[in-house]
Amino acid sequence: DIQMTQSPSSVSASVGDRVTITCRASQGISSWLAWYQQKPGKAPKLLIYAASSLQSGVPSRFSGSGSGTDFTLTISSLQPEDFATYYCQQANSFPPYTFGQGTKLEIK
Amino acid sequence: EVQLVESGGGLVQPGGSLRLSCAASGFTFSSYAMHWVRQAPGKGLEYVSAISSNGGSTYYANSVKGRFTISRDNSKNTLYLQMGSLRAEDMAVYYCARDTGYCSGGSCYLEGYMDVWGKGTTVTVSS
Repeated sequence: DIQMTQSPSSVSASVGDRVTITCRASQGISSWLAWYQQKPGKAPKLLIYAASSLQSGVPSRFSGSGSGTDFTLTISSLQPEDFATYYCQQANSFPPYTFGQGTKLEIK
Repeated sequence: EVQLVESGGGLVQPGGSLRLSCAASGFTFSSYAMHWVRQAPGKGLEYVSAISSNGGSTYYANSVKGRFTISRDNSKNTLYLQMGSLRAEDMAVYYCARDTGYCSGGSCYLEGYMDVWGKGTTVTVSS
């Protein structure tokens, strides 16, 4: 199985800050990567697919980059509603379509 | 409105069985591959299973292979997950999700990204 490792596991930031979350795959996955946002008690929400494509309806302050094994999710200017847990997921190799362990974004 | 609604969760003893359902509405269900993803209490997301749009291809995570069966009834717009030989580690919220894949020229393609999710149904495995 392809392993997905996110860093950091948690991060504290303030409204207006720029935040970057990293995801590393244990082997190359081209651009087959998605990012999801999950708030407590809610289902995940697709933010980014194909490493850098913004899902319809997602604010432009979210962006993704990378290919091969190293990927990043950037939030350019944090808003109060962005405090949540973020997961990366590879879609290059099945089974399974593995998720990263998650990054919890907390208010400083 | 595009919607997925899971049902069928509950309390089951170790070794028991349970069937989850996911009712789809607001889109052409038969054109989309579908997924099941689970989340144990306080843990991250774990991929479980996928099925192609026509049900002809199924995929399973190693952790559930041989114990779980994914299926669908396109005439009822419903996705299923039959779970057997349940273990404590299967206890989780189970989400169904729609694949972002597309159909072209009579063929449908699985992409692996999930753009519509249900709210989840909780499975508790305990004696």
